[in-house]
Amino acid sequence: QKEVEQNSGPLSVPEGAIASLNCTYSDRGSQSFFWYRQYSGKSPELIMFIYSNGDKEDGRFTAQLNKASQYVSLLIRDSQPSDSATYLCAVSWYSSASKIIFGSGTRLSIRP
Amino acid sequence: EPEVTQTPSHQVTQMGQEVILRCVPISNHLYFYWYRQILGQKVEFLVSFYNNEISEKSEIFDDQFSVERPDGSNFTLKIRSTKLEDSAMYFCASTDSSYNEQFFGPGTRLTVL
Repeated sequence: QKEVEQNSGPLSVPEGAIASLNCTYSDRGSQSFFWYRQYSGKSPELIMFIYSNGDKEDGRFTAQLNKASQYVSLLIRDSQPSDSATYLCAVSWYSSASKIIFGSGTRLSIRP
Repeated sequence: EPEVTQTPSHQVTQMGQEVILRCVPISNHLYFYWYRQILGQKVEFLVSFYNNEISEKSEIFDDQFSVERPDGSNFTLKIRSTKLEDSAMYFCASTDSSYNEQFFGPGTRLTVL
């Protein structure tokens, strides 16, 4: 069974600080890694994706991938109240119509 | 910006009834998916669809479920005889490449009474 594990939180971070979200995955063959943001009652919205070991930065967001440790993280710099949401870590594979396996999400709360 | 659309936004049905959930994927996308999320739980894969056939389905996707792409734009999920435990948010997703990010529709909330 391919699993994606996340701390459910809630993670409370003061406004302007760095929020750090972590995720581990069980299948060493996983090839694509995603972070989605989900507001309550809404659909998942892609924040970042990463395929290679190392860091990938996009604005205030940095995704980090360590395939040897089977570990993915997301850093959010200068956290804003609008960043308060559930963050879903997800993995996929390079195969035809490959599904995405999601973690259960980490609830992030940015306190003013 | 192109987006995935889903109708209806909320469907209420009686146990044992058939429901059809509709999705219009992004127009140049080739791969289509259904996921569901029971309230308070994780997003779960149901089925993937490519080249007019099912590519993969999960254990959840039993004989009560079917998918169809009846024309060039719609992608539907049918539940033949709904159960109480089918109550969930159902998300359609699409992508233009099997290893690219999937774009999700806004979801249909299905309530089975």
